[in-house]
Amino acid sequence: AQTVTQSQPEMSVQEAETVTLSCTYDTSENNYYLFWYKQPPSRQMILVIRQEAYKQQNATENRFSVNFQKAAKSFSLKISDSQLGDTAMYFCAFMKGETSGSRLTFGEGTQLTVNP
Amino acid sequence: EPEVTQTPSHQVTQMGQEVILRCVPISNHLYFYWYRQILGQKVEFLVSFYNNEISEKSEIFDDQFSVERPDGSNFTLKIRSTKLEDSAMYFCASSRRAVGNTIYFGEGSWLTVV
Repeated sequence: AQTVTQSQPEMSVQEAETVTLSCTYDTSENNYYLFWYKQPPSRQMILVIRQEAYKQQNATENRFSVNFQKAAKSFSLKISDSQLGDTAMYFCAFMKGETSGSRLTFGEGTQLTVNP
Repeated sequence: EPEVTQTPSHQVTQMGQEVILRCVPISNHLYFYWYRQILGQKVEFLVSFYNNEISEKSEIFDDQFSVERPDGSNFTLKIRSTKLEDSAMYFCASSRRAVGNTIYFGEGSWLTVV
């Protein structure tokens, strides 16, 4: 079974600064996908970024980028130029890559607060 | 942009009552899911559904739960006899038929059992 661990329950950052959220996972799979989802106070789950494990290049999406270290089973999210609207709970998630329709396994989440 | 829609957004029900949560997945998606999030906890997988049958379910998804796709657009989660511990946010989600495809979530249905 896969496990996802987010060791930072809460983090805060000043507006316009950079923050990194940590995520580690444990799996025996070689082919998988990793995701970061954001859950603002509205509680909707919104995709932030996606990484294929077979790709060495780290995914980027505007101000969001990841540091994917496959050997270390680490998948951190970097948010640059933080904005007040980035305040949310951030969940790291794992998906096996062998079949369609695989489930997501989520971490416990990190509550990020962006301060003005 | 297409999105997953869920109704109701919030429902309060008495313990022991049946509840049906409804979802309209994204139209060209073929995999449908239900996830649950108890307040303050992480999001947990309940069930996935493909080609009109359950493709995978978790240990949470016991006999009191059922899913159905009654027509070409709706996807429902039924809880037969609700318990206090069923109080949670229930997320419907969908994805296309491809390995590793992104799962898109609805806004959730908040269920309160009293």
